[in-house]
Parts: sequence; structure tokens; C-alpha cells
Amino acid sequence: GAGVSQSPSNKVTEKGKDVELRCDPISGHTALYWYRQSLGQGLEFLIYFQGNSAPDKSGLPSDRFSAERTGGSVSTLTIQRTQQEDSAVYLCASSLGLLSTGELFFGEGSRLTVL
Amino acid sequence: DQQVKQNSPSLSVQEGRISILNCDYTNSMFDYFLWYKKYPAEGPTFLISISSIKDKNEDGRFTVFLNKSAKHLSLHIVPSQPGDSAVYFCAASANNQGGKLIFGQGTELSVKP
Repeated sequence: GAGVSQSPSNKVTEKGKDVELRCDPISGHTALYWYRQSLGQGLEFLIYFQGNSAPDKSGLPSDRFSAERTGGSVSTLTIQRTQQEDSAVYLCASSLGLLSTGELFFGEGSRLTVL
Repeated sequence: DQQVKQNSPSLSVQEGRISILNCDYTNSMFDYFLWYKKYPAEGPTFLISISSIKDKNEDGRFTVFLNKSAKHLSLHIVPSQPGDSAVYFCAASANNQGGKLIFGQGTELSVKP
């Protein structure tokens, strides 16, 4: 499709397990973002990739969280040793570049439930 | 450190009336502001934006106002329609700080027929 694609759409895991969430951005978009929305909360910035620049990881809540973007396209967000407080909807978004040239396009999110 | 704040978690408006959603920010380096709309189980979708060099941007029923001295922006929807019922997020970015988009907590708008 033409939009941002995320998988899985739903993931239930046990506390302590590792999970990987995948994001396939819109073709040609150089910027890719990960956000999460916990129940009743706003959108919390996690990490931002822009072209070949070093990613902005300032929003990652702990060292259990990491993300990579291979070939400037697909991105994977990895959460190691999941905790119950990691339960949230993880949203990926992409854009053509600096926001002054266009807005973010979001995927439908990956809902993570940690039991 | 909440740089973008939406202090009203919810708002209820009658169909046909004006909806006013408010947003405050603390970072004076923000130079681009956006509003997003989110329906349940969907990703947010872009609604309208404004650059810091402007104080108003209008698109159909939607108008965004920016008051830089007060570090405040608002979204006006007029006339409001039941289909406008959704969660609205305010967001801001600073190009000289990498351009990442910082979101507020959201305001749930309910437009009643």
C-alpha cells in the first residue's frame, strides 16, 4: 500500500520476553519516527531517524529499548526484557524531511500488551 | 518536562457551534506547529499546520491561531460536526533542534447532534 505499514498490529507477550516491532515507511520518505501512546496518555516521542544522520534517541525510556533503520527504509523497534509498563500502542510515522516541508504520516500502530 | 501542553483532556460542543482547542508550549525555539486528529484504533492524521512567521492559518472549517508572545496556539472548528468527534493533538518542532515533533497529551472532542 501507499501508507505507513506496521506489524504486528497486536502483540501479547509475557514479562521478560523480547519483542520486535516493524515499520515500513512511505517510499521516499527520509524521516522516520517512533512514538508510543500509553493508556490515557499523549504521544510520547521515542526515536527519530533523518536520512543518514545519527538518530535522535533522546526519547527512549531505558536501555531496554533500541531501534534501527536499515537501508534508510524499514525500521525495527526492539524492546528487551519487557515490563508491564511497556504496554502501549507503538506508532511509527514518516515524512519527506524537515517538517516545514510536510507533515508526518502515521501507521495504525502496534498494540503491545505485556502480561 | 512537558514542552507541549493541552490542559483540557476533553471538550463537548453542540453541533453547529464553534469548537476551540487550546495548546501551550514552553520551548521558544519551536518554529512549526501542527494539529493532528485521531480516531480510535487508527493512527493520527494531519489536520493543519502553522509556521512561526504567521499568526493565523485557515483551511475550510479549521483555523489555527498562534500567539508567540504567550506561547499559545489554538484550533478553531466552525461549524462543528459530529464527525469531528476525535482526539486532537497539538504538536511542535524546532528545525534547529533536529526537527523532531513533540506532541501534547491530546484533547478529546465530542460534538453532539
